[in-house]
Amino acid sequence: QQQVKQSPQSLIVQKGGISIINCAYENTAFDYFPWYQQFPGKGPALLIAIRPDVSEKKEGRFTISFNKSAKQFSLHIMDSQPGDSATYFCAASRRNRDDKIIFGKGTRLHILP
Amino acid sequence: DAGVTQSPTHLIKTRGQHVTLRCSPISGHKSVSWYQQVLGQGPQFIFQYYEKEERGRGNFPDRFSARQFPNYSSELNVNALLLGDSALYLCASSLVLGQGADNEQFFGPGTRLTVL
Repeated sequence: QQQVKQSPQSLIVQKGGISIINCAYENTAFDYFPWYQQFPGKGPALLIAIRPDVSEKKEGRFTISFNKSAKQFSLHIMDSQPGDSATYFCAASRRNRDDKIIFGKGTRLHILP
Repeated sequence: DAGVTQSPTHLIKTRGQHVTLRCSPISGHKSVSWYQQVLGQGPQFIFQYYEKEERGRGNFPDRFSARQFPNYSSELNVNALLLGDSALYLCASSLVLGQGADNEQFFGPGTRLTVL
């Protein structure tokens, strides 16, 4: 049972363009939605996260948009750079003490120079 | 400051063997979680430990076990290895239990296990 669905599986964007990755979740009890960035040979690193009481969060070139009624959230990377080429995972969890993070399957992003 | 460290980096085993993976959390972090990442997939939760006690277990068979030591380091053990156990095993540490902006999980580089 996949609780977090992520699309697309892979994405190619020209340098300077906007990269958009979408995720949908099923469990309405989730209340913490992080995005992770993973480079080859490295573990995932937290990029940006949002709570459901906020519809948008921006950090530099990275923005999360959140639609609670649709149970969807997305990551936008503005002015995409070759250094952004990595695998991106959306995730969801409950901020309870004993809860785990549920990851999406990942999006392989390649930014063309 | 050292991040989460894991050893070994790579490991090759044959079916039926046993393996032990090790993780040292960031200094001051008391919670350690283990994840399995199969090629092309997102990490899947295996275990979470806090203050040496198991506080969460994912949908993995009993062949998987773990423990946390008094210095908060952790071991993941897998018995009777199967081909399907081939994956990147990730360890993550955080200050305390739970997720949130004030309790980020930091991941190590992982141990790449290949089962032949």
